[in-house]
Amino acid sequence: AQTVTQSQPEMSVQEAETVTLSCTYDTSESDYYLFWYKQPPSRQMILVIRQEAYKQQNATENRFSVNFQKAAKSFSLKISDSQLGDAAMYFCAYRSGQDSNYQLIWGAGTKLIIKP
Amino acid sequence: GAGVSQTPSNKVTEKGKYVELRCDPISGHTALYWYRQSLGQGPEFLIYFQGTGAADDSGLPNDRFFAVRPEGSVSTLKIQRTERGDSAVYLCASSFSGWTEAFFGQGTRLTVV
Repeated sequence: AQTVTQSQPEMSVQEAETVTLSCTYDTSESDYYLFWYKQPPSRQMILVIRQEAYKQQNATENRFSVNFQKAAKSFSLKISDSQLGDAAMYFCAYRSGQDSNYQLIWGAGTKLIIKP
Repeated sequence: GAGVSQTPSNKVTEKGKYVELRCDPISGHTALYWYRQSLGQGPEFLIYFQGTGAADDSGLPNDRFFAVRPEGSVSTLKIQRTERGDSAVYLCASSFSGWTEAFFGQGTRLTVV
């Protein structure tokens, strides 16, 4: 079975600085997808960034980028120029590439605190 | 509506009671998912619908939990004989298909006292 581990329960960063959130996963599959979601106090999960395992190039979305290390099964999220609105819980998630297996497997989350 | 809508936002019930949680997906989305998020944890998959049918219900913890989606749109998660351990946030998500981005609602916080 696949597992996702986030070893940092909480991280803090000064506004405008850069922070990296860690995520490791375990799988025997070669085809899969990895995601970072943000969950503010409103509880609504918001997709931040997505990475396909078959792509060697790291995904980027504006201030958000990932460092995807397939051999090491590592998938970290880098947030540049941190803003107060980035404060939230961040979850790493895995989805199989198998047809009809669409469930997401989640880590326990990292609480990100932005210091003004 | 513009997004996934879940009602009620909060529900407090007594141990042993029956509850229903409702999810209104984004119009046109055929795929619908339920997840359960206990305090301080990541979500856990419960069930996935493709249209009206439950394509994957492997995450339902026991036979007290049941979900329906009779017309392929609104879904209801039903919990019988609630227990204190059922207290959690229940998240619903929908997507155009199983392969496309899932959009989440704001969840229902269920508290069993």
